[in-house]
Amino acid sequence: DVKVTQSSRYLVKRTGEKVFLECVQDMDHENMFWYRQDPGLGLRLIYFSYDVKMKEKGDIPEGYSVSREKKERFSLILESASTNQTSMYLCASSFPSLAETQYFGPGTRLLVL
Amino acid sequence: AQKITQTQPGMFVQEKEAVTLDCTYDTSDQSYGLFWYKQPSSGEMIFLIYQGSYDEQNATEGRYSLNFQKARKSANLVISASQLGDSAMYFCAMREGLGTDKLIFGTGTRLQVFP
Repeated sequence: DVKVTQSSRYLVKRTGEKVFLECVQDMDHENMFWYRQDPGLGLRLIYFSYDVKMKEKGDIPEGYSVSREKKERFSLILESASTNQTSMYLCASSFPSLAETQYFGPGTRLLVL
Repeated sequence: AQKITQTQPGMFVQEKEAVTLDCTYDTSDQSYGLFWYKQPSSGEMIFLIYQGSYDEQNATEGRYSLNFQKARKSANLVISASQLGDSAMYFCAMREGLGTDKLIFGTGTRLQVFP
């Protein structure tokens, strides 16, 4: 079974803190994705990566950066957390194929105070 | 621009009845894929069913089927014989073919199954 794990299920941080969200997949997937989910807005893509050290901006990259030093690991970084980054963050991975689903991690609910 | 529209914020269905969740999409590509995901209250996204734009038959997976009407650009999810455990958020998503692996998601439909 494909497994995508995220470092935390719940996280509480203060405004201005640097926040790291880690994602690890065990299926040798080339692609990895970070989404943000807010009520009424669905999932919005923050960043994605199709290879080690490669990254591309998604629809809402402002305030975020990413790192992919190893194929199985994709990190999302909030350089200086703000209250409007309070959200659910979902990581996903997939093979590069039209018919392949993305496999999602359990999500991290981040609260920025 | 590519877009997925789910016009039903919430739906109710009685146990054992069938329910249809609507999804329309907009794309200029000829090759694309459509996905449905279920998100229970625990938060994980569960893949349900896939339909390719060139598939001539509607996709089915157990109690899930996809009513694909290409000319109308709709890809509705049909859940037959609803169960209490089907209560969740449901998301429709589209991947455009040939050059991108990104998914575009709709805003979701919250389904509540009552006894």
